[in-house]
Amino acid sequence: DQQVKQNSPSLSVQEGRISILNCDYTNSMFDYFLWYKKYPAEGPTFLISISSIKDKNEDGRFTVFLNKSAKHLSLHIVPSQPGDSAVYFCAASVWSGNTPLVFGKGTRLSVIA
Amino acid sequence: SQTIHQWPATLVQPVGSPLSLECTVEGTSNPNLYWYRQAAGRGLQLLFYSVGIGQISSEVPQNLSASRPQDRQFILSSKKLLLSDSGFYLCAWSGGSANTGELFFGEGSRLTVL
Repeated sequence: DQQVKQNSPSLSVQEGRISILNCDYTNSMFDYFLWYKKYPAEGPTFLISISSIKDKNEDGRFTVFLNKSAKHLSLHIVPSQPGDSAVYFCAASVWSGNTPLVFGKGTRLSVIA
Repeated sequence: SQTIHQWPATLVQPVGSPLSLECTVEGTSNPNLYWYRQAAGRGLQLLFYSVGIGQISSEVPQNLSASRPQDRQFILSSKKLLLSDSGFYLCAWSGGSANTGELFFGEGSRLTVL
């Protein structure tokens, strides 16, 4: 039973346009959400996070939006650059639970020049 | 600053042979440690995690095992590899004395079982 779902395995976007990556979760106890970026043959690197007390967090070109009622979060990348091409993983956890992050299956983003 | 290293980076092993992947963390104490596997179409699958020396939680029953002989050392092992054990293995840490809620990953180990 997947608690964190990324329903789009891949996404292609033109350079300069907005990339929107989506993530849904089922566990209402989750209160901390993260996005990771992964290049081939490398470990994932942390990108941006949001706690459930916020509905938006912004860091440069990256913005994460959280809709708690819909149990949905999204990552917006504006403007998209070719170097953003990677696999993006959504992850969720219970902050106080000391339990492992639960990851989605990832979305492969291709930014076309 | 904290660093995490895992090795070997690449491994080609025959079916039935043993496995040992090692991971160490520097610059923090009492970290939570994790082993993940990335297999095609399955994203990041949590295999084991540990909140302290000798404390191992297994998420997926299989022929792999993990051990934590020291605070900042985490080892993934198998006595007899299967073809299905092929994949990209990632060690990670979180918490410890620098808890930001994030998970920090090592460089990964590519295992091919032939």
